[in-house]
Amino acid sequence: AQTVTQSQPEMSVQEAETVTLSCTYDTSESDYYLFWYKQPPSRQMILVIRQEAYKQQNATENRFSVNFQKAAKSFSLKISDSQLGDAAMYFCAYRSAWETSGSRLTFGEGTQLTVNP
Amino acid sequence: EPEVTQTPSHQVTQMGQEVILRCVPISNHLYFYWYRQILGQKVEFLVSFYNNEISEKSEIFDDQFSVERPDGSNFTLKIRSTKLEDSAMYFCASAGSRLYEQFFGPGTRLTVL
Repeated sequence: AQTVTQSQPEMSVQEAETVTLSCTYDTSESDYYLFWYKQPPSRQMILVIRQEAYKQQNATENRFSVNFQKAAKSFSLKISDSQLGDAAMYFCAYRSAWETSGSRLTFGEGTQLTVNP
Repeated sequence: EPEVTQTPSHQVTQMGQEVILRCVPISNHLYFYWYRQILGQKVEFLVSFYNNEISEKSEIFDDQFSVERPDGSNFTLKIRSTKLEDSAMYFCASAGSRLYEQFFGPGTRLTVL
């Protein structure tokens, strides 16, 4: 079974600065997807960014980018120019690319990000 | 922009009672999911549903739980006899042809007293 680990329960950053959230995962599969979801106080889960394991290029979405290290099974999220609205719980998630493995998302424990003005 | 909706936003029930949580997935999506999040814990997969049947379920999804798509729009989660430990946030999600992208609803907070 796949596992996802986020070792930083809490992180803080100054507004306009850059912060990196860490995530590691364990899998025996070669093809999969990785995600970062944001959960603000409203508790809605919002997809931030997605990475396909077969792609070597790191995904980027505006101020959000990832550092995907497949051999190390590491998937960190970098938030540049942090804004007050970025304050939220961030979850790393894994999904197999194989239909026979199902399409469930496996989540990490989450990292609570505080943005200080 | 289409979105997943869930009702009610908050449900309070007595232990042993049945509850039905409702979801309206995005209209052209074919894959549906339920997840739950106990306060302060990670989000956990419960069940996935495709082509009018369960395609996958977790060990959490025991005989007390059932899912149904009673019409072309709603997707429901029923808990037959609620326990205190069922208190959690329940999220519905749906996915379309881009199966890797699941869209989540705002959640239903279930409180079992």
